[in-house]
Parts: sequence; C-alpha cells; structure tokens
Amino acid sequence: AQSVTQLDSQVPVFEEAPVELRCNYSSSVSVYLFWYVQYPNQGLQLLLKYLSGSTLVKGINGFEAEFNKSQTSFHLRKPSVHISDTAEYFCAVRRGNNDMRFGAGTRLTVKP
Amino acid sequence: DTEVTQTPKHLVMGMTNKKSLKCEQHMGHRAMYWYKQKAKKPPELMFVYSYEKLSINESVPSRFSPECPNSSLLNLHLHALQPEDSALYLCASSQDPFRNSPLHFGNGTRLTVT
Repeated sequence: AQSVTQLDSQVPVFEEAPVELRCNYSSSVSVYLFWYVQYPNQGLQLLLKYLSGSTLVKGINGFEAEFNKSQTSFHLRKPSVHISDTAEYFCAVRRGNNDMRFGAGTRLTVKP
Repeated sequence: DTEVTQTPKHLVMGMTNKKSLKCEQHMGHRAMYWYKQKAKKPPELMFVYSYEKLSINESVPSRFSPECPNSSLLNLHLHALQPEDSALYLCASSQDPFRNSPLHFGNGTRLTVT
C-alpha cells in the first residue's frame, strides 16, 4: 500500500532563513502527492499538490515542492520563512480512490 | 475561512450521552470524509462517503455512526463514547473520490468525553 514518511518530527529555523521539510513515499505505481498545513486549532489547508507533469510544483504562501521519482521524494521548500509559517505540516498520498493517508507530520517553528 | 463548515466547534459530553457532529459543504463535492486527530498526531481516516454511499469504514467502533443525508451534509452520531475518544474530529470533502482530487477540510469539532 502507498504511504508517506516524514523524516523530521520538528524543524526549528530562524526567520528569513530557507527551510526544507522532507517527505518520502513508497509506491510502485503512479502517485498523487499533497502537502497540507495545520495552524493551531484549525483544520488542514492544502499547500500544493503533485498529480502529473512538471516535477516542480508551486503552492500558496511561497512554498514549492519537487517530485523526485528516482529518490521517491516530495520535499517541501521555502526560500525565506516568516514567523507566521510556524505550524504543523503534513505530507499525504492518495491510496486509491476514496482514500488519503497522512505522514506523521513535521512541526515547523520559526524563531525571531 | 473554510468552505467546509463543522458544528459545533467544541463539544463536551458524558459517556452516556448521545450527540451528533455536523458537516456541510456547498462546493458540489461528491465525496465526504471523517477523520479523527489526536494531539500531536496526523489525522486518521474513519469513514468515506462517495456519491452519498458509505465506501470506507476503517473498522471504527459502532459507537460512532456516520450518516450522509444528502450530497452536502455529513453527520457523525456519537453514543456511549469513552474518554479515549476525546480528539479533534475533522470533516473533509473532495470534488470526487478519485485519486487526483485534493481534500478540503473544515476546522473541526474538538470533542471531550468526560
């Protein structure tokens, strides 16, 4: 079954620094990958998605991710983070119709 | 603002109570989902309705009973819950149940069972 692994449970970073949140997937077939963000006491908000085509995907809030088939990765990046980016980030994969599964999450903390 | 609306935002109930969580979307989506999220954990899939029919039940205890009255509404009926059922319950919808449709989430109902 398809799944995703988020390699870092916590990532602290200073404001205006670049950040990369890592996600690896396991699948032998075509995949549909997503990144979501969850702010405190809120639901999940879609940041970006990879369905097909260009391997570099741009999302909201200045985030982007690169699909790398040879490394089975879908890492999330931002060149310069803000305090407001502090949140929980989830990588997710569609496991067939009707089903979406999430990684364990990465807590991004942006420090002044 | 989210396009998936969940009510109530908070709910405290005793173990003998019966309550319901409600979810509504007006985006014309044909798939709706219930997830359970414990603190510092990812959301865990509970149920999926596809075209108003239950298509996935992740072996959820019968004290949780989903209902999909129409394509815009999704309910979760709760009865005889346990304290360990305390969690954030998230509703989501997608345009269709197919693999390329992202989920849109509500802000959740924070449930506390006493």
